[in-house]
Amino acid sequence: QQQVKQSPQSLIVQKGGISIINCAYENTAFDYFPWYQQFPGKGPALLIAIRPDVSEKKEGRFTISFNKSAKQFSLHIMDSQPGDSATYFCAASPRGKLTFGQGTILTVHP
Amino acid sequence: GAVVSQHPSRVICKSGTSVKIECRSLDFQATTMFWYRQFPKQSLMLMATSNEGSKATYEQGVEKDKFLINHASLTLSTLTVTSAHPEDSSFYICSARDPRQGRETQYFGPGTRLLVL
Repeated sequence: QQQVKQSPQSLIVQKGGISIINCAYENTAFDYFPWYQQFPGKGPALLIAIRPDVSEKKEGRFTISFNKSAKQFSLHIMDSQPGDSATYFCAASPRGKLTFGQGTILTVHP
Repeated sequence: GAVVSQHPSRVICKSGTSVKIECRSLDFQATTMFWYRQFPKQSLMLMATSNEGSKATYEQGVEKDKFLINHASLTLSTLTVTSAHPEDSSFYICSARDPRQGRETQYFGPGTRLLVL
């Protein structure tokens, strides 16, 4: 059962543009929603995370928007840079055990 | 963020042999560690949850006798792939929960690439 659905599978953005990745979940017990960035051959790195009591969280160029009623959350990368090219995973957790989305391959063209 | 290491970073072994992968939390004590497997171009799939001083909890479909997990100290968990077969070839990643940052925050190791010939 796929509990966290992520889209798009791949995304191409020009340098300076905004990258938007979306996730939807089913389990209402989820109460922690992190985003991870993964480069080829490396482990995922925590980017930013949100809890359902807030609708938005911003850290530098990264923003999470959260819609509890729709059970959706998204990652916005402002001023996207070629160095942001990586695979991005959303995840969701009840009580600490993470379920990951399928991943989005982001390519930022110079 | 906190630092988690894995060793080895890659390993090649013959079919039928056993391989041990170590996961260490370097600057914090982790009572809980997690083991994931990731196939090429796919997402991370949780294999098991490792709690210090107790038996690991395995996810459905993961053979506990094939993937032995030991969490003998607050900074070290090991995954042993026993009688490895080519289909076990994958990227194995551990994570550790940092108790200083709440029950959800996990930091991932750099992964171990296993190739079984």
